[in-house]
Amino acid sequence: GQNIDQPTEMTATEGAIVQINCTYQTSGFNGLFWYQQHAGEAPTFLSYNVLDGLEEKGRFSSFLSRSKGYSYLLLKELQMKDSASYLCAVMDSNYQLIWGAGTKLIIKP
Amino acid sequence: DAEITQSPRHKITETGRQVTLACHQTWNHNNMFWYRQDLGHGLRLIHYSYGVQDTNKGEVSDGYSVSRSNTEDLPLTLESAASSQTSVYFCASSESFEGTEAFFGQGTRLTVV
Repeated sequence: GQNIDQPTEMTATEGAIVQINCTYQTSGFNGLFWYQQHAGEAPTFLSYNVLDGLEEKGRFSSFLSRSKGYSYLLLKELQMKDSASYLCAVMDSNYQLIWGAGTKLIIKP
Repeated sequence: DAEITQSPRHKITETGRQVTLACHQTWNHNNMFWYRQDLGHGLRLIHYSYGVQDTNKGEVSDGYSVSRSNTEDLPLTLESAASSQTSVYFCASSESFEGTEAFFGQGTRLTVV
């Protein structure tokens, strides 16, 4: 079966750095997405990786290793507004998105 | 600005009733999707459409149906609502497949009593 694993919850301090991991086992691979979802709101796109390596976008970076079935989202200079759930999703060989259950990130002052 | 809107935002219905959730997008996207989101689960695909008159079943399609008569709308119908269908429903659209982000509506919280 297809599976996406990410930690259920993480806590970090304002101004610090946090890394959210995602491991996957899917039927084929056509890219990995990270979305941010604030409580009670819709998911919004953060990043897309299809090749191995690091993609940097401001305070957020996303890394992919296809051989290891592994990705992480790195958030720097954490702000209180970064408190949200972070969703990892993999596009499989049928171009369907398989979603992880999300990681709830709690930022403390 | 282009957008994707869902209605209603909240609905309470009784077991056995037929319910329709609306989704309307002005992105002019061919691809539209319906997901449900429950605690402890990732988003799960209910139905999807790649264009007018095209509809496909997703992972959890039993008890749901959709129709696509134009580019903008993909209504989701619960034929006979069950308590197991209490959930938050998200509609999404995307321009294509690889590398393109999906845009989500604000969600509909449905409670079946």
